[in-house]
Amino acid sequence: GESVGLHLPTLSVQEGDNSIINCAYSNSASDYFIWYKQESGKGPQFIIDIRSNMDKRQGQRVTVLLNKTVKHLSLQIAATQPGDSAVYFCAEMVGTALIFGKGTTLSVSS
Amino acid sequence: DAMVIQNPRYQVTQFGKPVTLSCSQTLNHNVMYWYQQKSSQAPKLLFHYYDKDFNNEADTPDNFQSRRPNTSFCFLDIRSPGLGDAAMYLCATSRDTGLEEKLFFGSGTQLSVL
Repeated sequence: GESVGLHLPTLSVQEGDNSIINCAYSNSASDYFIWYKQESGKGPQFIIDIRSNMDKRQGQRVTVLLNKTVKHLSLQIAATQPGDSAVYFCAEMVGTALIFGKGTTLSVSS
Repeated sequence: DAMVIQNPRYQVTQFGKPVTLSCSQTLNHNVMYWYQQKSSQAPKLLFHYYDKDFNNEADTPDNFQSRRPNTSFCFLDIRSPGLGDAAMYLCATSRDTGLEEKLFFGSGTQLSVL
């Protein structure tokens, strides 16, 4: 079936570097995407979202890029900090259901 | 203050012994969701309530049931837990089910099955 997935299961960066987490989706009808951050032992936390009529959206230190041509979504984190260490999920709204991709574990070393 | 509250934080049950997980919300949201998350995997939607209307995902086992007695509370009942049901169970709420309705998650209940 159609699903949302991530390219890499893990990403390791140095503190202060920029991080890029990628996600490929296959449901071409999806028109709303969300990035969530999940720290160990906690529920997912909303980071940023984007609609399909946009190709870029910026938040505080985070930017989401959407390329509908290749069905690719990315999350950029500027000046990555140790507190950014977590699992990051992209998710898409399919009807009334929020479907998660597989997750990328971001590790930030000082 | 926590807006989506799940109790207990950790739950241990025996194989085949019914167990109930609870979720409450202070947001007065119309929609409540239950997700199952196994170790190192993405959360998987089990079902959701829009007000009193129950929406079950096609691949959710019959072993899993849910109740929503009022707006604030929603329960997940596992009738006969198996070892494969050990997981984190996440409750989430949203104001509506339309586009751009953000989900707010609780901290989850970690279920162990012995």
